[in-house]
Amino acid sequence: SQTIHQWPATLVQPVGSPLSLECTVEGTSNPNLYWYRQAAGRGLQLLFYSVGIGQISSEVPQNLSASRPQDRQFILSSKKLLLSDSGFYLCAWSLGETQYFGPGTRLLVL
Amino acid sequence: GENVEQHPSTLSVQEGDSAVIKCTYSDSASNYFPWYKQELGKRPQLIIDIRSNVGEKKDQRIAVTLNKTAKHFSLHITETQPEDSAVYFCAASYSGYALNFGKGTSLLVTP
Repeated sequence: SQTIHQWPATLVQPVGSPLSLECTVEGTSNPNLYWYRQAAGRGLQLLFYSVGIGQISSEVPQNLSASRPQDRQFILSSKKLLLSDSGFYLCAWSLGETQYFGPGTRLLVL
Repeated sequence: GENVEQHPSTLSVQEGDSAVIKCTYSDSASNYFPWYKQELGKRPQLIIDIRSNVGEKKDQRIAVTLNKTAKHFSLHITETQPEDSAVYFCAASYSGYALNFGKGTSLLVTP
């Protein structure tokens, strides 16, 4: 069966520091991968999605970037974090229509 | 792009009552409509979904209805239980490519 991992689970970072969040999927090949952000008490905002290695589409222009160096690995990065980057970051995968979410990374920028 | 509106933002019901959450979408090309349940601090979990070639789908106490003409779909939970308390999100997409989520409904079921 398929499993999706995210790490770290929680992260506290100072403003202006870099960021790297990792997501990996097991048990499937060539999934679509997604990064979402959820601010406290808010909905889910799609940040990036990828249909294959090296293929990234950005939904929201901001100081974040994404990369897909391997088929089942999706990385979210930032060179300089802002206070507004705080939130719950969720990775998701799909092969068809249904998306399955990872456990998330809770990021607090101070 | 697709815009999904969800109402109400909060809903409180007594145990055993029914709960209904409604969503509207703007893009008539959307053909996939999932519902997710998110418990506090956890990931969203798919609870039910419906495709545009179906008007209603039921899974035990949960049902979803879709009105393509009016571009709205609803989640119905019957015989609510305290463990149904969570935030529920609707979403819409064309062939599941990029889900557009509603802002969520916080459901509280009181004993």
